[in-house]
Amino acid sequence: GAVVSQHPSRVICKSGTSVKIECRSLDFQATTMFWYRQFPKQSLMLMATSNEGSKATYEQGVEKDKFLINHASLTLSTLTVTSAHPEDSSFYICSAKAQIDDQPQHFGDGTRLSIL
Amino acid sequence: AQTVTQSQPEMSVQEAETVTLSCTYDTSESDYYLFWYKQPPSRQMILVIRQEAYKQQNATENRFSVNFQKAAKSFSLKISDSQLGDAAMYFCAYRSPGGSGYALNFGKGTSLLVTP
Repeated sequence: GAVVSQHPSRVICKSGTSVKIECRSLDFQATTMFWYRQFPKQSLMLMATSNEGSKATYEQGVEKDKFLINHASLTLSTLTVTSAHPEDSSFYICSAKAQIDDQPQHFGDGTRLSIL
Repeated sequence: AQTVTQSQPEMSVQEAETVTLSCTYDTSESDYYLFWYKQPPSRQMILVIRQEAYKQQNATENRFSVNFQKAAKSFSLKISDSQLGDAAMYFCAYRSPGGSGYALNFGKGTSLLVTP
């Protein structure tokens, strides 16, 4: 089945550091990738939608300058949390989808981000 | 925007018994996709079952089946012969049709506990 690889799985860093999370589709072309954030015991909240070669579309309330998304190829999207602070600590999970409408999204295993 | 409601924050079932998780949604679209995802403690998102709204037949996947009532906008998940490994968070999700550009809209989730 389709595989999406997300790295790193866990990162702990100091406040003020920028952190980059990668999301790769390993065996299909992902025309669209989605970035979600999940707080403990809560549901997934969509942060942004990125299409290959174009600017990401951010959901209301998500800071574009804080969460930089790049989708430079059909197999890779990155989320950079800039100047991270403790309130940015969360579980971030990406998903990727091919162009064909009836194909489901495939999720990465997520990244647990802890800002000290 | 479509809303997805899971009214049961927690459910419990005994091993080998059957449990039904409820999900309702609100939409004005006539065609769409519905999903159930399982999220175990590892926090991986695992697709359990999917349903296309234009299909009248309820989807089934081994021990998992859905009761899709389009007029009532209801999409419940039945787990038969429950196993300890079924314990997890279960999320109901909605997606609009139309290519790859639409994200999943998740409900708040139901935590399923399976007792021996």
